[in-house]
Amino acid sequence: KQEVTQIPAALSVPEGENLVLNCSFTDSAIYNLQWFRQDPGKGLTSLLLIQSSQREQTSGRLNASLDKSSGRSTLYIAASQPGDSATYLCAVREGSGGGADGLTFGKGTHLIIQP
Amino acid sequence: GAVVSQHPSWVICKSGTSVKIECRSLDFQATTMFWYRQFPKQSLMLMATSNEGSKATYEQGVEKDKFLINHASLTLSTLTVTSAHPEDSSFYICSAPDIRSYEQYFGPGTRLTVT
Repeated sequence: KQEVTQIPAALSVPEGENLVLNCSFTDSAIYNLQWFRQDPGKGLTSLLLIQSSQREQTSGRLNASLDKSSGRSTLYIAASQPGDSATYLCAVREGSGGGADGLTFGKGTHLIIQP
Repeated sequence: GAVVSQHPSWVICKSGTSVKIECRSLDFQATTMFWYRQFPKQSLMLMATSNEGSKATYEQGVEKDKFLINHASLTLSTLTVTSAHPEDSSFYICSAPDIRSYEQYFGPGTRLTVT
């Protein structure tokens, strides 16, 4: 059974720092991997989606990498801002891409950016 | 991106009653929708896969007679929590993959509190 682990569980850094969130998964036979942001009591906001054939995706200050063979992904946040404070979730999708596969989530990294 | 809505956003009910939660894809069709549950400070756990025109498939440990799922159309899935108990109190989130990209889009979630 697929297991997704995120490290660290919590992180607090001063504003302006660059930081890296880590995600690992036990079964490398994934279809894609997504990074989400969740604000307290809210739903999920998709940040980046990496297909299994891709190595990285970038959106603004965010960069996500994927090393499928080693079962790892990282989310890099550049020049962090207080508004980046949230819980970041990593999720993998298995299967062949037919649309009938749910996601397996990690427990998330709770990020606080200090002003 | 595509939009998924949920209704209600929060509900409080008495123990023993049933509660229905709706999940709608607003600008795309979804033959499959997913229901997740999130307990406080925990990650999302896939409960079941809702299939338009056929029975839902449930993850191990999820009682299908307690969590009734109906995928009435290509844009609507409902989750009914029957004979709710306080331990059913949780955050319920649905998602739907856009068949054009297979990226999953999440609803804003429904906070259920059973007293």
